[in-house]
Amino acid sequence: QVQLVESGGGVVQPGRSLRLSCAASGFTLSSHGMHWVRQAPGKGLEWVAVITYDGSNKYYADFVKGRFTISRDNSKNTLFLQMNSLRSDDTAVYYCAKDNSGSYSYFDYWGQGALVTVSS
Amino acid sequence: DIQMTQSPSSLSASVGDRVTITCRASQSIGSSLNWYQQKPGKAPNLLIYAASTLQSGVPSRFSGSASGADFSLSISSLQPEDLATYYCQQSYFTPLTFGQGTKVEIK
Repeated sequence: QVQLVESGGGVVQPGRSLRLSCAASGFTLSSHGMHWVRQAPGKGLEWVAVITYDGSNKYYADFVKGRFTISRDNSKNTLFLQMNSLRSDDTAVYYCAKDNSGSYSYFDYWGQGALVTVSS
Repeated sequence: DIQMTQSPSSLSASVGDRVTITCRASQSIGSSLNWYQQKPGKAPNLLIYAASTLQSGVPSRFSGSASGADFSLSISSLQPEDLATYYCQQSYFTPLTFGQGTKVEIK
């Protein structure tokens, strides 16, 4: 069965960096685009970034452009989110999500989430 | 960016009631509209994709429809386990955007 497991969350000071990982299993990662979506405490869902199946294209939300980098290692079945220059408003649960990569795009599987807290 | 306006922000209904949530896109998105259910403390779960296609394993009491830039999610007979927040999401253009969510409570 499809599984997505995030890791790397934690407490970090403003201005510092953190890297999230998402270990994928139960499907061929190299055939699918992958996303990061976040949710601040008590708030709604917010799309962060997407990477195409082969890593050739990446797109970001404006609020993370230039600070966050999405990447993938298909040989290790892992998705990453490098987060630099973190701010307090980046505090959120970060989910990785699989794109069905068909005629219509949707998130058909989600990880359990990794909590990132940016605080001094 | 495409704005998704979802309403109502919350509702309370009785078991067995029919419930409808609406979502309006700020521009045409064709059928590139998805619905997710998020139960408290859990990750979101896909209910409907391409405006009206039920995801495998989702109960048939859930349905989706579209009329132009207006989309609806309906629950034909509300069940206690449907206590959750529901989100629409457009996948027509990046940045992908979500509605603000509708919290469904059981009376």
